[in-house]
Amino acid sequence: ETGVTQTPRHLVMGMTNKKSLKCEQHLGHNAMYWYKQSAKKPLELMFVYSLEERVENNSVPSRFSPECPNSSHLFLHLHTLQPEDSALYLCASSREQGTEAFFGQGTRLTVV
Amino acid sequence: RKEVEQDPGPFNVPEGATVAFNCTYSNSASQSFFWYRQDCRKEPKLLMSVYSSGNEDGRFTAQLNRASQYISLLIRDSKLSDSATYLCVVNGGGFKTIFGAGTRLFVKA
Repeated sequence: ETGVTQTPRHLVMGMTNKKSLKCEQHLGHNAMYWYKQSAKKPLELMFVYSLEERVENNSVPSRFSPECPNSSHLFLHLHTLQPEDSALYLCASSREQGTEAFFGQGTRLTVV
Repeated sequence: RKEVEQDPGPFNVPEGATVAFNCTYSNSASQSFFWYRQDCRKEPKLLMSVYSSGNEDGRFTAQLNRASQYISLLIRDSKLSDSATYLCVVNGGGFKTIFGAGTRLFVKA
């Protein structure tokens, strides 16, 4: 199933590095999301874009910077991360607000 | 009170058993509800949406009780392949979708 694809699948980065996570959806959906899943914690919604406009930003530190150049692509730019930012970062898309979301396979990020 | 609360489990059941999961939510204005399944180290996958009238998909039945603000998932005739974490998901309006922490299910031969 390739409705939502994320790259890279795994990423190890140092605290001074800058990296970007990429997400692409082929479902024709209007909304895209970034979620963070830490060990033994629920998924945390980070950002939501609807028709390329950011509509939710859940008090995420500025070291995480989203970008949505078009309705099919979503990026998460990372800089000066901390070890506690190590987690599974999941991208999702949905047709519109309140409808079922479909997830990519995630990027497993380790900050060293 | 958590916005979406689930029994963390784990539930350990034999093959063929019937198992039920409950989930409560705090926002009475919540509008849509879902159950997702997540396998270890994988992404969540939609299992089923939950409708006010209740809905069934094969061995799975989901129900919604708006008055009591809870959602349930019933799995009949459990299979080994049903072993996973089951996530209760509630949309409180707009794009505010909240995931429960999940209930872990182990089905054993």
